[in-house]
Amino acid sequence: ETGVTQSPTHLIKTRGQQVTLRCSSQSGHNTVSWYQQALGQGPQFIFQYYREEENGRGNFPPRFSGLQFPNYSSELNVNALELDDSALYLCASRSGQPGDNTEAFFGQGTRLTVV
Amino acid sequence: RKEVEQDPGPFNVPEGATVAFNCTYSNSASQSFFWYRQDCRKEPKLLMSVYSSGNEDGRFTAQLNRASQYISLLIRDSKLSDSATYLCVVLQSGGSYIPTFGRGTSLIVHP
Repeated sequence: ETGVTQSPTHLIKTRGQQVTLRCSSQSGHNTVSWYQQALGQGPQFIFQYYREEENGRGNFPPRFSGLQFPNYSSELNVNALELDDSALYLCASRSGQPGDNTEAFFGQGTRLTVV
Repeated sequence: RKEVEQDPGPFNVPEGATVAFNCTYSNSASQSFFWYRQDCRKEPKLLMSVYSSGNEDGRFTAQLNRASQYISLLIRDSKLSDSATYLCVVLQSGGSYIPTFGRGTSLIVHP
């Protein structure tokens, strides 16, 4: 176990709805990043948070947003859900500065299905 | 052209075989490289970092070729437990952190 926990593990939502996914980072890790992994694809970087601010963002529209809290836990919010948003959402935490190449530890993910 | 490309496979090999995967990247400014392993329906886990001089960890050897912009992973004496998807990850340097994953290469080791 990595110490990174995500909730919920599975979720079914209807197109147009909003969803919030949660991530609790490993103890001592101040940086959290979020990924979307579609079936048969590699994880796609959504964004990273360091000390409660977004630091680095992938090619995702603004309806994907996030938060990081003082205890370094994080949320991913997705508005106006689309069918293509169905995927495994992974959270990863790591220590150090944003530019450091420290190892990222992944949670087990939230599997989101949009119908 | 995708930023990071991998042959999805599957690579189907017998136990004891040696197998190699390549991963090509398009951004010459890329500075850091990693191999992750992902088991079916599980999260990715770091297998090894890839250093300029190449590095080895037991049966696993990683190489970087900057001139041709690819990294490789060699697995010797394959075990059944090596069956998984192997993801390469490329990272640009600087204050911003944007890792790019390949789609992964599937390895199946059979008896």
